[in-house]
Amino acid sequence: AQSVTQLGSHVSVSEGALVLLRCNYSSSVPPYLFWYVQYPNQGLQLLLKYTSAATLVKGINGFEAEFKKSETSFHLTKPSAHMSDAAEYFCAVSDWGTNTGNQFYFGTGTSLTVIP
Amino acid sequence: DSGVTQTPKHLITATGQRVTLRCSPRSGDLSVYWYQQSLDQGLQFLIQYYNGEERAKGNILERFSAQQFPDLHSELNLSSLELGDSALYFCASSVGTRRADTQYFGPGTRLTVL
Repeated sequence: AQSVTQLGSHVSVSEGALVLLRCNYSSSVPPYLFWYVQYPNQGLQLLLKYTSAATLVKGINGFEAEFKKSETSFHLTKPSAHMSDAAEYFCAVSDWGTNTGNQFYFGTGTSLTVIP
Repeated sequence: DSGVTQTPKHLITATGQRVTLRCSPRSGDLSVYWYQQSLDQGLQFLIQYYNGEERAKGNILERFSAQQFPDLHSELNLSSLELGDSALYFCASSVGTRRADTQYFGPGTRLTVL
């Protein structure tokens, strides 16, 4: 089965500083990778996804991620953190499920704190 | 707003009881997924339905069952509830069953078992 590992369950950055959230994947087939954000008491919102079209993927709210096959990584970055970026971030890999279905495998999440 | 709706938003019940969670997918989406989010287990995939048929099964307990109706809404039934079933239950929907399909998540149902 495929899996993702998110290094760092908590990350703190100053407002205006670079945001870097790490995600490494394990996959026996070309992966499809997703980043989601979860604000308190809300559902998950898609930030961006990689589906093999381009290795540098741009998403919403100024976030982007780069797929690096050699490093099996899909790290999420944002050049300048805003207070509104404080949330939980999840990396996910999509895999075939049982009986021709599909499912996501999620990482354990990274809680981002932005310090004013 | 993802377009996926879930009811109820909160549910408080007692051990041994049975509850039903409801999900309406985005317009045009045929796949519905159920996930459980808890502090100790994280986000766990439970089950997927596509156009009324079960397509993938994850870590779903035998006490739990789901179905997708002809109008494509889905229900997750949880029975013989235990304290450990307290969690956030998310429904997601997508167009189809391709690995590249984005899953759009609803706001979740918070289940508390006392």
